[in-house]
Amino acid sequence: DAGITQSPRHKVTETGTPVTLRCHQTENHRYMYWYRQDPGHGLRLIHYSYGVKDTDKGEVSDGYSVSRSKTEDFLLTLESATSSQTSVYFCAISSRPGTSQETQYFGPGTRLLVL
Amino acid sequence: GQQLNQSPQSMFIQEGEDVSMNCTSSSIFNTWLWYKQEPGEGPVLLIALYKAGELTSNGRLTAQFGITRKDSFLNISASIPSDVGIYFCAGRRNQGGKLIFGQGTELSVKP
Repeated sequence: DAGITQSPRHKVTETGTPVTLRCHQTENHRYMYWYRQDPGHGLRLIHYSYGVKDTDKGEVSDGYSVSRSKTEDFLLTLESATSSQTSVYFCAISSRPGTSQETQYFGPGTRLLVL
Repeated sequence: GQQLNQSPQSMFIQEGEDVSMNCTSSSIFNTWLWYKQEPGEGPVLLIALYKAGELTSNGRLTAQFGITRKDSFLNISASIPSDVGIYFCAGRRNQGGKLIFGQGTELSVKP
């Protein structure tokens, strides 16, 4: 199995509280991504990183921020959680995206419930 | 935002049958990818396609990159119970660019 983990795996929180999800990889892949998965929507990109301290927004970035201070860790923060952010969050890593040498792995997911 | 239309949404088939699903877009993509997701796990990349017209196989799975670059197809031959899961397509417009995912096709296989 690829070395990518997410923590926590499950979290219940209250509206208005800050939440941080962590993605950790041991593959030394340059690219890291945060997606959310909701019924009927597939996976939607929240933010991604193409290197240490280099991040960019995805299609559903409002209400989320990210940080990447080292290659192996990519943090996703919900500054003030809302019920609409109840979802399953997946981290993914990739190297050489868009080339025939591309490798890509997803983490096991974090189930977040905002009450 | 950009949309990928994946169909069918779900399929219920008998073991041994062949399966076909497809993804279409109004935009051109340079890369098409197909994933499988099992309950409680993250998606796993099955096949990646990088050239229009490309046909690639991975065991019983075969995927094609449409000539128009606006669609892709995944076929599973002689399905078995462990093929059960949700299959997603995804497209990328340029190298290193963001992936856009389809809504998924849920496959059920009856032994």
